[in-house]
Amino acid sequence: DTAVSQTPKYLVTQMGNDKSIKCEQNLGHDTMYWYKQDSKKFLKIMFSYNNKELIINETVPNRFSPKSPDKAHLNLHINSLELGDSAVYFCASVPTSGSNNEQFFGPGTRLTVL
Amino acid sequence: GEDVEQSLFLSVREGDSSVINCTYTDSSSTYLYWYKQEPGAGLQLLTYIFSNMDMKQDQRLTVLLNKKDKHLSLRIADTQTGDSAIYFCAEREGGYNKLIFGAGTRLAVHP
Repeated sequence: DTAVSQTPKYLVTQMGNDKSIKCEQNLGHDTMYWYKQDSKKFLKIMFSYNNKELIINETVPNRFSPKSPDKAHLNLHINSLELGDSAVYFCASVPTSGSNNEQFFGPGTRLTVL
Repeated sequence: GEDVEQSLFLSVREGDSSVINCTYTDSSSTYLYWYKQEPGAGLQLLTYIFSNMDMKQDQRLTVLLNKKDKHLSLRIADTQTGDSAIYFCAEREGGYNKLIFGAGTRLAVHP
């Protein structure tokens, strides 16, 4: 019954490694997002996809590459991980049409880079 | 540029009212939101207000919007310990539902 799910919930890895985080939504929404929340709880949008097309790409290092195999999934691949990538990454989704455009958030993936 | 600002901390006694304030810069924002984040969890939409409204009430929650001053507030009546969380103000920008979040206000409720 989970609306927006993310895997893994926790990820601990060494600097320089490559890792992926997965997101799936079963709400039938057209648009999905990745947000980064740093240790001070600042939450900032990274990417957005609408029907598998990239529509928002904020100033994010190109080590981060989102991929949307279908509109229910949005994955985030990170190359050459750095200490500053440590954060909680949230996936969210929203229907294209709706009364208030509420974004539904996943539970987050806590990434720790050592 | 876009910017949403909130005070970082608020401490209230159980049973009192809490008021969390937020200022935003984008006057074209159509929707403004309040999200709640409990420890270790994702964000949950609490309430929202459309830009042509001044006030919205939903049970213990009252949202006030002053468009002239670009000021948004969230009042929680009869605050309970379960209300302890971080509250994020957000404005919707542009046509792709891009949300700009404030830094979050950490609400602590004490007996």
